[in-house]
Amino acid sequence: QSVLTQPPSVSAAPGQTVTISCSGSSSNIGSNYVSWYQQLPGTAPKLLIYDNNKRPSGIPDRFSGSKSDTSATLDITGLQTGDEADYFCGTGDYSLSAGGVFGSGTKVTVL
Amino acid sequence: VQLEQSGAEVKKPGESLKISCTGSGYHFADYWIGWVRQRAGKGLELMGVIYPDDSDTRYSPSIQGQVTMSADKTIRTAYLQWSSLKASDTAMYYCARFGGARFGNWYFDFWGRGTLVTVSS
Repeated sequence: QSVLTQPPSVSAAPGQTVTISCSGSSSNIGSNYVSWYQQLPGTAPKLLIYDNNKRPSGIPDRFSGSKSDTSATLDITGLQTGDEADYFCGTGDYSLSAGGVFGSGTKVTVL
Repeated sequence: VQLEQSGAEVKKPGESLKISCTGSGYHFADYWIGWVRQRAGKGLELMGVIYPDDSDTRYSPSIQGQVTMSADKTIRTAYLQWSSLKASDTAMYYCARFGGARFGNWYFDFWGRGTLVTVSS
């Protein structure tokens, strides 16, 4: 059971927008930057967002992140069939010896 | 930047195992490496992190004592080792490079393809 809570699944039609939430606490999201990862079926996770809202080179601006207090959000606009994947948030947590934690994960389904 | 992981393993309960993760395209010693476990159909679980330059290691409480992380910066390789495998160790194991300047800027920017470990009698 992760200390970062995400909805198990979200879905929308192509072209629409989905929002994935990541809820934590003062020791993790409230004190650290948040990152987001996309895991396509059968592949390794890929960094989508870091430092709350920055995109690595090559990540389209359809993906955007934000943070407020102890929660973070990933928005995917202009949803495409290729976006169907699992999405995980992650952040530092000073209460954990390994220094960080991943969220429980959200399955995005394109209807 | 690339992280090359060793191949899939099939082991019996009680056997030992050491899997590897070799970095290239960057100064390996200067970046923390994380090991992430993913059981079939489940989420990502951070097992711990290691700093190859001095082998400073931080384990997640749920993993402490069950595995050993090590690194050899001279050959740019990190390792994850079990002395006695259990069926519950069956999972995909990823190594990933920690890209943040400090733990507050928490993110893994490059990932290996994973090593599938199957433990079955």
